[in-house]
Amino acid sequence: AAGVIQSPRHLIKEKRETATLKCYPIPRHDTVYWYQQGPGQDPQFLISFYEKMQSDKGSIPDRFSAQQFSDYHSELNMSSLELGDSALYFCASSPRDRSYEQYFGPGTRLTVT
Amino acid sequence: AQSVAQPEDQVNVAEGNPLTVKCTYSVSGNPYLFWYVQYPNRGLQFLLKYITGDNLVKGSYGFEAEFNKSQTSFHLKKPSALVSDSALYFCAVRDIPNDYKLSFGAGTTVTVRA
Repeated sequence: AAGVIQSPRHLIKEKRETATLKCYPIPRHDTVYWYQQGPGQDPQFLISFYEKMQSDKGSIPDRFSAQQFSDYHSELNMSSLELGDSALYFCASSPRDRSYEQYFGPGTRLTVT
Repeated sequence: AQSVAQPEDQVNVAEGNPLTVKCTYSVSGNPYLFWYVQYPNRGLQFLLKYITGDNLVKGSYGFEAEFNKSQTSFHLKKPSALVSDSALYFCAVRDIPNDYKLSFGAGTTVTVRA
């Protein structure tokens, strides 16, 4: 069965650079969620989209922005990167009518040096 | 606001012994509860969920969890642990119908010794 695809899987950036993380949800899933998991921490919700509109917002820094496109894939754009942004970034997707079923991607490990 | 507490940072058991990972929750409405497992450098794998119905939920890899509304708990259990169950376990909650995002507990590291 198709799963959530995230790219890249690993990314190394320097401070003050920008990064773009991509998420391709499971086919026919119209809702996408982004989570950030710092080293040794639990995943923290960042933002979610339903039908290309932002549906919820969590602890996402102003330096970060995200959007969902017409094919339902989503991109998380991160600017002015800081060392503290180093983390594992998960994307999850779900169908709206069964939104309790969130399927997680493998994550993108971002390292800021 | 919704929240989850996992009171134990670590759980150590011998292979073949029962495994219990504790979770308590706090929500304003009716909870949707989940357990996920994370292996080193891997993503989150879904184990099981409680939405409604029977309080005892059976999931993947022989795991089960019991929803206890009066104690606001959702403990994860496995009757006979395997060395391969050693991983990081997260309990998560959704507060229905107010929220769609998941709130995770801090995680419990399970070590099963041979």
